[in-house]
Amino acid sequence: GIQVEQSPPDLILQEGANSTLRCNFSDSVNNLQWFHQNPWGQLINLFYIPSGTKQNGRLSATTVATERYSLLYISSSQTTDSGVYFCAVLRAAGNKLTFGGGTRVLVKP
Amino acid sequence: NAGVTQTPKFRVLKTGQSMTLLCAQDMNHEYMYWYRQDPGMGLRLIHYSVGEGTTAKGEVPDGYNVSRLKKQNFLLGLESAAPSQTSVYFCASRRNSGGRDTQYFGPGTRLTVL
Repeated sequence: GIQVEQSPPDLILQEGANSTLRCNFSDSVNNLQWFHQNPWGQLINLFYIPSGTKQNGRLSATTVATERYSLLYISSSQTTDSGVYFCAVLRAAGNKLTFGGGTRVLVKP
Repeated sequence: NAGVTQTPKFRVLKTGQSMTLLCAQDMNHEYMYWYRQDPGMGLRLIHYSVGEGTTAKGEVPDGYNVSRLKKQNFLLGLESAAPSQTSVYFCASRRNSGGRDTQYFGPGTRLTVL
C-alpha cells in the first residue's frame, strides 16, 4: 500500500514563530488532506489540497504532486495551534485515506 | 447542516458487555468510515462502507461488526467488549467523487472497557 511519512514527529515552538511541516507519500494520489487534532481530540479539516497552494489565515499548504510531497506552513504560531497535525492521502483507485503518523506541535506562550 | 454526528459521546462498559455506536451524516455522502485512536497514536480504520447496504473490513476489524441499512447511518457494534477496545472512536464520511473530495470527521466517542 501507499506509505505516508510526516516530519518532524514533534515540534516545540515559541509563540509567534513560524514553522513548516512535511508530508511525503510513495505513490500518485488524487486526494490529500491536512487535519488538525486539537488538545480536546477534535479532528478539524484544514485543507483539501491534492496539488497547488492554498491559504487560510495564518496557515497555508503546498502540494507538489509530481514530487510526492506536501508542506503545511504555520506562521505567527499561537498556543491554539497546539495539537497533532495529520496528513492523509488517497490513491486514484482507492476508497480509504491513508494517514501519516502525525506531527505533534506544542506552542509555548 | 449538522455534518457528522456520533452517539454516545462517552461510554463505560464492563468486559463482556455489548454496545452499538451510531454515526449519522446529513451530507448525503456515499462513503462512511469507522476509526479507532488509542492514546498518543494515529487513526486506524476498523470498517468502512461505500454505499447503503455495503460494508468492508479495514485494518483492525476483529471484535467489531458494522451495518449500513440507511445511507445516512453507519453503526459500529461491539458484541463482547474487551479492555483492549478502550479507545476513542471516530466516524467519518466522504462524497463519492472519484476520491476528489474532503472527508469529514465526527466528534468522537470515548469508550472505556473495565
